[in-house]
Amino acid sequence: AQSVTQLGSHVSVSEGALVLLRCNYSSSVPPYLFWYVQYPNQGLQLLLKYTSAATLVKGINGFEAEFKKSETSFHLTKPSAHMSDAAEYFCAVSARAGNTPLVFGKGTRLSVIA
Amino acid sequence: GAVVSQHPSRVICKSGTSVKIECRSLDFQATTMFWYRQFPKQSLMLMATSNEGSKATYEQGVEKDKFLINHASLTLSTLTVTSAHPEDSSFYICSAPTGGIAFFGQGTRLTVV
Repeated sequence: AQSVTQLGSHVSVSEGALVLLRCNYSSSVPPYLFWYVQYPNQGLQLLLKYTSAATLVKGINGFEAEFKKSETSFHLTKPSAHMSDAAEYFCAVSARAGNTPLVFGKGTRLSVIA
Repeated sequence: GAVVSQHPSRVICKSGTSVKIECRSLDFQATTMFWYRQFPKQSLMLMATSNEGSKATYEQGVEKDKFLINHASLTLSTLTVTSAHPEDSSFYICSAPTGGIAFFGQGTRLTVV
C-alpha cells in the first residue's frame, strides 16, 4: 500500500523568498514520486518526477525536489517565489511509472505575498 | 508534453438527469485512463480505471451503475454520471499515462441542481 502526507495545508511566503513544500511518503515497493501543480478549476500539470535515477530532481518553473529514502521524503523547493507560483501543489506516489494510478497527498495551497 | 483534453469543463444539470464527460488523449494512444474525483479543497480520489476494450475497474465504494465508464477507443474514455443528484456535484478529472507520466485533463466541474 502507498500513501502520501503533505505537511501544511497552506503555506504563505513573500515574493522572492524560499518556497518549501513538504511531502513524506509510504510505500512497500520502491516508489515513483511526482509533484503536480493545480490552478483554480484546472487540471494538474506535472512539475517534476522521481523515478529512481538522480535523487535531486529539477522540474519546470525553477522547482526542484530531493528524494531522501532514509527520511521517506520528497520535499519541493524553489529558491525565489514568484506571484505566479500561487496555486495548489500535490505530491503523489505510484508503484511504478506507467499504467498505474497515482495516490495523492491532500495538497498544499501556496500563497505568495507581494 | 502530451495533451489530454476533457470536455465539458463545466456542466450544470438537473437532479435525475445524466451527464457524459469525455476524456481524449490527443497525441498518443492510451489503453488505460483514470478517473478521479476532487471535492472542494481536498485531494484527488481515484474512482475507476478505464481499460480500452474491457470493463472498467472501480474503486471500493464507487457505484459502477451510477458512474458508467466506456473506453471504446485508444484515445477516448467517457464517464457518464447517471441519475445525478446534488451529492454528485464535484470536480471530475481524467488522466492518461504515457512515457511513465500521467497527463491530466482540464477537469469538469459538475453542478447538480
